Amino acid sequence: DGGITQSPKYLFRKEGQNVTLSCEQNLNHDAMYWYRQDPGQGLRLIYYSQIVNDFQKGDIAEGYSVSREKKESFPLTVTSAQKNPTAFYLCASSSSGTSAPGELFFGEGSRLTVL
Amino acid sequence: RKEVEQDPGPFNVPEGATVAFNCTYSNSASQSFFWYRQDCRKEPKLLMSVYSSGNEDGRFTAQLNRASQYISLLIRDSKLSDSATYLCVVNGNNNNDMRFGAGTRLTVKP
Repeated sequence: DGGITQSPKYLFRKEGQNVTLSCEQNLNHDAMYWYRQDPGQGLRLIYYSQIVNDFQKGDIAEGYSVSREKKESFPLTVTSAQKNPTAFYLCASSSSGTSAPGELFFGEGSRLTVL
Repeated sequence: RKEVEQDPGPFNVPEGATVAFNCTYSNSASQSFFWYRQDCRKEPKLLMSVYSSGNEDGRFTAQLNRASQYISLLIRDSKLSDSATYLCVVNGNNNNDMRFGAGTRLTVKP
């Protein structure tokens, strides 16, 4: 079945460690996104990519890095520079690419806890 | 001012009630508007897009007011299964820069 897959679902990390969250989609979508959600808050955009080998910073990119070497993959690295990394991370994709935006399809999320 | 603002609620309503949510946005150039639903500890899922002329899908009606820069969602004949958080989504300056409101929490009670 077509969809978007995030892994791991739950992750625990010690302070000072980098961690990479995986996001893979087989929907042939051009655009991919990473959002962060904290309790009682809406989704905040970390990075997005409209096309392979291109990505743009969102509102809260500091302490995060991404790559888009393949159309289907958009991994997010949470670096030790991110001061408050504990959160629910959501990856999404859409078919719009550089044209008008369409529906966002989300993965099930990755819940990161820093100990 | 936040780019997308919603009343956080919670809205607690009895089954069968009609409930309405509003969402205001700050970017007058925004062209795309959506309502998403998010269940507790789950990912958001598209409920409906919002078109300029307004649109209806069963018990749900969405409307756009460009002059006042808000969108609304009306739910008629509320069901227990409608209990969720409803997220307003508006595009930012870039067509792929989608901005979310903080969500409005709805609880429908028997």
